[in-house]
Amino acid sequence: AQKITQTQPGMFVQEKEAVTLDCTYDTSDPSYGLFWYKQPSSGEMIFLIYQGSYDQQNATEGRYSLNFQKARKSANLVISASQLGDSAMYFCAIENPGNQFYFGTGTSLTVIP
Amino acid sequence: DGGITQSPKYLFRKEGQNVTLSCEQNLNHDAMYWYRQDPGQGLRLIYYSQIVNDFQKGDIAEGYSVSREKKESFPLTVTSAQKNPTAFYLCASSMVGDGYTFGSGTRLTVV
Repeated sequence: AQKITQTQPGMFVQEKEAVTLDCTYDTSDPSYGLFWYKQPSSGEMIFLIYQGSYDQQNATEGRYSLNFQKARKSANLVISASQLGDSAMYFCAIENPGNQFYFGTGTSLTVIP
Repeated sequence: DGGITQSPKYLFRKEGQNVTLSCEQNLNHDAMYWYRQDPGQGLRLIYYSQIVNDFQKGDIAEGYSVSREKKESFPLTVTSAQKNPTAFYLCASSMVGDGYTFGSGTRLTVV
């Protein structure tokens, strides 16, 4: 069974600073995908970044990067140069080979001006 | 533009009533999913369907029912058997090898 753990229920970051949101996972599948989604107060889930289990390089998408440490089963999201619009809930998810997702409980990020 | 449409955005249900939440996608995705989200919580899987006319229970299927008569549509019915239906409901679709695309959600409140 897959499991995602996000240990930070709430995080604060100063505007323009970088912040790391933690995510650890547990799976017995050798092939899997890791995703991060942003959920603003309006409720929609916005895809941010993807990392495949066999990818050699850490994924990057603009200000988002993923610190993937496969041996430690961690996939932390790094947001650089935080903006006020980054304030939201952030969810880490793992996709198994059967195309099913398992989500963590989320981290609430607040960017302080 | 392709995407997923959930309706209505807000829904109010009286005690003992069944209500149906709509989810339509024009992405030609095979798989569709329904999730429930409670305040401050993650997403929990209610039902999913990987092909037309077939669906499976997720982790919290009790009190819910679904149908998948068309590839584009995956409606969720919240029955009177669901004792605590007030929550935010998200529909998603996916193709193997791609991530999920989510709808904008339906907020259901029991009055």
